Amino acid sequence: EAGVAQSPRYKIIEKRQSVAFWCNPISGHATLYWYQQILGQGPKLLIQFQNNGVVDDSQLPKDRFSAERLKGVDSTLKIQPAKLEDSAVYLCASSLVQPNTGELFFGEGSRLTVL
Amino acid sequence: GQSLEQPSEVTAVEGAIVQINCTYQTSGFYGLSWYQQHDGGAPTFLSYNGLDGLEETGRFSSFLSRSDSYGYLLLQELQMKDSASYFCAVNTGFQKLVFGTGTRLLVSP
Repeated sequence: EAGVAQSPRYKIIEKRQSVAFWCNPISGHATLYWYQQILGQGPKLLIQFQNNGVVDDSQLPKDRFSAERLKGVDSTLKIQPAKLEDSAVYLCASSLVQPNTGELFFGEGSRLTVL
Repeated sequence: GQSLEQPSEVTAVEGAIVQINCTYQTSGFYGLSWYQQHDGGAPTFLSYNGLDGLEETGRFSSFLSRSDSYGYLLLQELQMKDSASYFCAVNTGFQKLVFGTGTRLLVSP
């Protein structure tokens, strides 16, 4: 079974530029997550989708971050314009809706460096 | 607010037993998960406690006390490959996970 795919793995941009990350979840997983992980910290949830609807985006900085999952499968996270503090690893994860086991499957992440 | 507290770092030697504690305060609680993350790698799921008590999976065990808002991960027969960061995460409902600050485990020979 293929895992969660993310691209690009690494991206370096200057502040005020834009960047987009792509994620393809495990086949059949209705729930998709984007987490931000700053070095030395735990993952922080940015947005959670179930199919193509948003379950939670309360911690997404909506003035600069946007995410979509138009067909209920793959997803794109965009940052525009980027700030220095956006330097982090952006982790995509997916899960089944049931059973409710607290098990998420993570991709390898996209490491963003903002200069 | 949501807060999950873990020790920042734990050190141990090969073959030993180590316990990583997690105390939490969250709005909504359905269970406590544990994840392992090696440097530069993806978090990987280790265990889940939906009910009070001990869950055992090979060398790893996890415990939950809902009344104390407390859980721990117990790692036995430590190996060098267990050196990694360990995160507790609360399922606040609908598989929404809030992660702790993480504990870096260093295993020495």
